[in-house]
Formats: sequence, structure tokens, C-alpha cells
Amino acid sequence: GAVVSQHPSRVICKSGTSVKIECRSLDFQATTMFWYRQFPKQSLMLMATSNEGSKATYEQGVEKDKFLINHASLTLSTLTVTSAHPEDSSFYICSALMGGGGTGELFFGEGSRLTVL
Amino acid sequence: LAKTTQPISMDSYEGQEVNITCSHNNIATNDYITWYQQFPSQGPRFIIQGYKTKVTNEVASLFIPADRKSSTLSLPRVSLSDTAVYYCLVGLYNFNKFYFGSGTKLNVKP
Repeated sequence: GAVVSQHPSRVICKSGTSVKIECRSLDFQATTMFWYRQFPKQSLMLMATSNEGSKATYEQGVEKDKFLINHASLTLSTLTVTSAHPEDSSFYICSALMGGGGTGELFFGEGSRLTVL
Repeated sequence: LAKTTQPISMDSYEGQEVNITCSHNNIATNDYITWYQQFPSQGPRFIIQGYKTKVTNEVASLFIPADRKSSTLSLPRVSLSDTAVYYCLVGLYNFNKFYFGSGTKLNVKP
């Protein structure tokens, strides 16, 4: 199947710093990518939808100035957690959509675990 | 939104067949149903996708009734390594979004 790669897989940072997570579709072009966050023993929560060449669409309750998303090319989307605080510690997962509409298939990255001290 | 509902958890023993049902009462006409498996600290992994009736691949079968308001993932002869959380996902056709439900934590015992 298609491959989506996330980097870094783990990151530890100090409170107040910014962290960037990259999501790449390695063998297909993805017009649309999604960012999720997952707290321990909970389901994945959709944060935002990232469309190549346009602004991301954020879900209700997700601060767009806190979680900056850039989708500058058809194979790369980045999530920057700005001025991170301990409550931002979570597992962040990206996915890329191959195809579209109801028939599209999502391919997920390996996830990035962020720990803010 | 095409909200999904699944049992929170299920227990099984090695070698048994496991059926996990997901309800999605307001699925849209063009939505497909996809099931994913997730191990701790990993991204979800695709298992199977279908639109109606029955789909089978090398790891699972997916049964979808005519009204498409539910679907059942069938895992034949589970092993300990099948212990994971299983999610059914229904695409929101018009807005091209995918929301996860609570998932089903399958615990396979020896």
C-alpha cells in the first residue's frame, strides 16, 4: 500500500518553544491531508484538514494560531505547534488521502509523540 | 455527519472468529466504509474497505447489509497479535472529512 511518513517520531521540548512535525506521502500525491491528535486510551480527534495550496480548515475548538498547518506541495504537509505547553503533549498523526470523496482511502503516518516539559 | 458507533471492547481467544459491528445510521449515498487497526503508539493501518454486500481480502471480511446502516468486520482465527483497537470510518462525501468513532478494543487471550 501507499506510504505516509512522519518526522520526527518523538520529540521532547521545553514549554514555550515551537515544534514542527512533517508529514510526507512518499509514493503518491495527496491534495488533501489530515492532522489528528490522540490522547492516551482515546480515539483520534480530527484537528484540521490541509489542502495543497490553500489554507487549512480547522475543526471547532482547535486554535489555528496555535497549530499552524502548511501544505505547500502535493507530498508534504507540516504541523507546527507554537509556544507549546504541557497540555499540548499528545500523539499527533497525519494522514493523506488518495482519491477523493467517499471512495478515497486514507493512509496514515506512524505518528509523532510530543512531550512538552 | 456520518457518526459511527462501535462496542468499546471485546474479548476473544486465539483461533476464534471475531465479529465487530459498527453502526452508521446516516451514511451518505456515496460513502464507503473502511476499517482500520491501530496498535499503541502507531498510526492506524488499513484493513478493508467496502460499499455494499461482502468484501473479503487476505486478512478479513466485511459484511454490509442492504440498508448500509451498519457493517461487520470479521476476523477469522484471531491470534494474540490481533490485539488492537479497530475503527470503522465512513467518509463524509461532501466535505471530504473522516471522523473516528470510539473504536473497539479487541483483547485476544491465549
